[in-house]
Amino acid sequence: GAVVSQHPSRVICKSGTSVKIECRSLDFQATTMFWYRQFPKKSLMLMATSNEGSKATYEQGVEKDKFLINHASLTLSTLTVTSAHPEDSSFYICSASQASGSGGNYEQYFGPGTRLTVT
Amino acid sequence: RKEVEQDPGPFNVPEGATVAFNCTYSNSASQSFFWYRQDCRKEPKLLMSVYSSGNEDGRFTAQLNRASQYISLLIRDSKLSDSATYLCVVNGRGKLIFGQGTTLQVKP
Repeated sequence: GAVVSQHPSRVICKSGTSVKIECRSLDFQATTMFWYRQFPKKSLMLMATSNEGSKATYEQGVEKDKFLINHASLTLSTLTVTSAHPEDSSFYICSASQASGSGGNYEQYFGPGTRLTVT
Repeated sequence: RKEVEQDPGPFNVPEGATVAFNCTYSNSASQSFFWYRQDCRKEPKLLMSVYSSGNEDGRFTAQLNRASQYISLLIRDSKLSDSATYLCVVNGRGKLIFGQGTTLQVKP
């Protein structure tokens, strides 16, 4: 159980275009979903936390107008990278938790990640 | 100072060796601690939670020292398949804070 999927697994897009990444919890209802970004040889950095039906909470330094997050249902959250630039190229990973709000007290289940390359 | 600090390594060890990783965290209010394993270009996977009393899972032993704000992971009888990056993860301010990770390479 506790499987999280992400789609697409890899995407290459041109500078200036937008890319949408989906994160789904397949066998449980995720009250909270998290979006992380990881650059090569660096740690995962939390970008934002989203609770179903409410606006996402963004970490300091993350532009909410550039990284649009929608958590419309208990099994689906989407991250849209708008007007992508080469510096947005990274590994984007989502995770899902059955806990409401706090992401640290309950296990987070990670999706397989999406590798974005902006040319 | 980083919230979670790890020696990035790499640690190169022969098969069968015992290897230990350390991690320190800065937020004394942290309540939950974990070790995750991340293979190259993959998502992190939970290896084990870390409890105050210490815990063991097969060849893996995790220890927590709250007074020193220090977490350790011991791997005994290393296997080639243990080669990966090990992430120290701490619950801080209601979210998971990841260390940079320590890379382990087990050689035949």
